[in-house]
Parts: sequence; C-alpha cells; structure tokens
Amino acid sequence: NAGVTQTPKFQVLKTGQSMTLQCAQDMNHNSMYWYRQDPGMGLRLIYYSASEGTTDKGEVPNGYNVSRLNKREFSLRLESAAPSQTSVYFCASSEFYGSGAEAFFGQGTRLTVV
Amino acid sequence: GNSVTQMEGPVTLSEEAFLTINCTYTATGYPSLFWYVQYPGEGLQLLLKATKADDKGSNKGFEATYRKETTSFHLEKGSVQVSDSAVYFCALSDRHTGNQFYFGTGTSLTVIP
Repeated sequence: NAGVTQTPKFQVLKTGQSMTLQCAQDMNHNSMYWYRQDPGMGLRLIYYSASEGTTDKGEVPNGYNVSRLNKREFSLRLESAAPSQTSVYFCASSEFYGSGAEAFFGQGTRLTVV
Repeated sequence: GNSVTQMEGPVTLSEEAFLTINCTYTATGYPSLFWYVQYPGEGLQLLLKATKADDKGSNKGFEATYRKETTSFHLEKGSVQVSDSAVYFCALSDRHTGNQFYFGTGTSLTVIP
C-alpha cells in the first residue's frame, strides 16, 4: 500500500548543479502534481499533469521542468539549481470524479542548495 | 479565480481546549473542500472533506461544515490533545478549472499539556 513515493528524501546540491526528483504513484490516478513548501508560503504549485501526456505550468514554474513518463511517474528536474530553490518538494496525485477528489501526497524531498 | 484564506498562526492551546481554525474560500465553480494535516517531517494527509453545501466532514473528533452562504469551512475540535500538534491546511478543488487544488498557507497548532 505504497501510495505516492518520492525519491530522494533528502538532497544537498551546489549552486548550478542539476538533479531530478522522482515521483511514482500506484493508485492509477490520472492527475499528478509537484508543489514546493516554504515557511509562511504554504504550498505553491510548480507544475501539474492532468493526464498522461499533458503537463501545465502552475504558480511558480521558473527554473523547473517536468516529465510525465507514464501514468505512474512524474519527475521534476532542476537544470541549474539556485539557493532560492531550497525548499521541501511534494508530489501528489489525484483522480477527479463526479463529486470531487482528494489529493494524496508523498513524504516530501528536502532540498538544500548551497 | 479560486483561492483559500485561512487563519494565520501559530496557535497554542492547552490540552482539552476548544479549537477553531477559520477558513474562507473564493471559487468560480462549485468546489469540494478539504482539511489536510501535516505532522512534523511528513507529507500532508487528508483529515476530512465535504463535497456540497451543508455537508459536514468529520474525522478523529475534528469537524467542518461547508457553508456556501458564507463561503467558509472552519475546522473545529471540542477537546484537543497533544498529539493534535501539527500544521493544518484548508484546500479546495474544482474539476471545472483544470483538476487543480488550491491551498491556504497553513496554520500551525501546538497543544501543551
């Protein structure tokens, strides 16, 4: 009963390095999301994928790219990390149906850029 | 557009005190409303939800009622415990605006013995 799995859980990067955050869900959901969480800012949407084969920008997409590899997997890439990208990153998935939907979250990736 | 505004924290209560965390929303459609809870070092977990006006969501002693007339979804608990210490997020989803979720900024609750 894994739900949403994110890897890695912790990461330290140097400015300018690149990395990919991985996310996989086993609930057969169509929609997947990447958020970042910063103190006092709540959750801010970076990118989302309403269904396999589609991706859309959220509130704060600059400096990030995403790939919806298949229905299960949705990765987030930082091409050239900056200290402003130090944050906790959460992946989520959901299935929208007639009377509403809920989002299921992973445990988060704590990223520090030095 | 869609947005959620919730009471700012932090909130500190003594054990067995009554809890209210206010949440109001703006929505273009007819949204579903949620409360999520985040314990330290963990992801968000669904606490309760309501999908239509006057619905009451409840779980673990927490309750919230979907009030369309006041566009509110306030979280309440009659007697908090130390184990309720966490950050609480109000959220809405609206399938008519692109399968997105909109979150409030979160309210940190600390319950002291």
